[in-house]
Amino acid sequence: LAKTTQPISMDSYEGQEVNITCSHNNIATNDYITWYQQFPSQGPRFIIQGYKTKVTNEVASLFIPADRKSSTLSLPRVSLSDTAVYYCLVGDVPWRALTFGSGTRLQVQP
Amino acid sequence: DGGITQSPKYLFRKEGQNVTLSCEQNLNHDAMYWYRQDPGQGLRLIYYSQIVNDFQKGDIAEGYSVSREKKESFPLTVTSAQKNPTAFYLCASSPGSAGELFFGEGSRLTVL
Repeated sequence: LAKTTQPISMDSYEGQEVNITCSHNNIATNDYITWYQQFPSQGPRFIIQGYKTKVTNEVASLFIPADRKSSTLSLPRVSLSDTAVYYCLVGDVPWRALTFGSGTRLQVQP
Repeated sequence: DGGITQSPKYLFRKEGQNVTLSCEQNLNHDAMYWYRQDPGQGLRLIYYSQIVNDFQKGDIAEGYSVSREKKESFPLTVTSAQKNPTAFYLCASSPGSAGELFFGEGSRLTVL
C-alpha cells in the first residue's frame, strides 16, 4: 500500500483558503486518492476522492499533478467549524485494506 | 435512515474480561472494517471483511477477533490477550465501487 505523508498541523483564520498537501511517492496505477475529515469522538467523514487532475465538489477541491505523487486538498474560505483532522488515503479500493496515517490537524481561528 | 450503528457508545470493563462491540449496517455494503484510534493518533486497521464468512487481519489484529455471519453485521471481540485495549473503536463499511468509507459513531472502551 502507498505510504502517505502529511503535515502534522496547520493553522488558519476564518475566510482564508487552506491547502493541505499529501505526499504519496509510491502510488500505484490503480490507486485512488481519498480525503476524510474527522471531528473529536466521531468517525471520519468522506470529503472528496480523485484519480488524476482536478476534482471539485460543494465543500472542497482536490488537485492531483500528472505524476500523481502528491495531492492537495483545498478548502475555500474556511470557518471555525472546519477545525478538524484531515486524512489522506491512497489505495485501490474497495477490495484492499485501507490504512489511515496520522492526518493533519487544522485549527481555524476567528 | 441508512447508516452504520455501533453499540455500546461507552463501555467499561475490568482487565481480563472479553468484550464484544457491535456493528450493524443497513447500507447493503459488501465490505466492513474495524479501526482502533488512540488519543491524538490516526486510525489503525484491526480487521476487515470483503464478503460474508470471510475476513482478513489488518495491521493490529493481535488480541482481537471478528465474525461475519451476516452481511449486515461485523462484531469485534476484544479479548483478554489484547495488552492495551483502552481506545476508541470505529466500524466502517464500503460499497463495491470507488470505496468511500462510511463510519459509525464509534465505541469508546475503557479497561479499568
